[in-house]
Amino acid sequence: AQSVTQPDIHITVSEGASLELRCNYSYGATPYLFWYVQSPGQGLQLLLKYFSGDTLVQGIKGFEAEFKRSQSSFNLRKPSVHWSDAAEYFCAVGAIGGGTSYGKLTFGQGTILTVHP
Amino acid sequence: DAGITQSPRYKITETGRQVTLMCHQTWSHSYMFWYRQDLGHGLRLIYYSAAADITDKGEVPDGYVVSRSKTENFPLTLESATRSQTSVYFCASSETSRQPQHFGDGTRLSIL
Repeated sequence: AQSVTQPDIHITVSEGASLELRCNYSYGATPYLFWYVQSPGQGLQLLLKYFSGDTLVQGIKGFEAEFKRSQSSFNLRKPSVHWSDAAEYFCAVGAIGGGTSYGKLTFGQGTILTVHP
Repeated sequence: DAGITQSPRYKITETGRQVTLMCHQTWSHSYMFWYRQDLGHGLRLIYYSAAADITDKGEVPDGYVVSRSKTENFPLTLESATRSQTSVYFCASSETSRQPQHFGDGTRLSIL
């Protein structure tokens, strides 16, 4: 069974500082991976996705993530955080293929990001 | 407007009552999903559907029923609500099994 671990429940950074949110996954085959962001009272918005190819993927709002197969990680980064980035971030892993997979995603528990001015 | 719409946005009901949460998408996406979001658990999949009339259980299906008679609608019914089903419910859709899921704004359900 696939699983996702986001080790940090809550992270606080100062505006302008760099950010890295950790995500580790467990899956027996090649996964596809996503990062989503959720603002209070809202649904989840896709930041970026990885299916194959270049292991460094660029997303919206200046975010990027790097897939490291050897470490089973897909960490999210941003070089300079803005106050509007304060939100909850979710990493998700899905199974490639059809059958009973049906594109199901398994989500991590989320990391809440607080940004200090 | 195109997108995915959930209704109602907020609902308060009592234990033992039946309640239905609605989800409607205008993209004609094949795949639709229902999740519940609880503190400390992230999002957990309740049910999903690969096409009209094809549904299957997710991680936490007990106490829930779904149907998908039309591609664009995927209602979720709590047949006899319990307090443990108090949660925020999200509906999502995707064009194929490999495409990202698009989420609605959620329904906050409180069961007293």
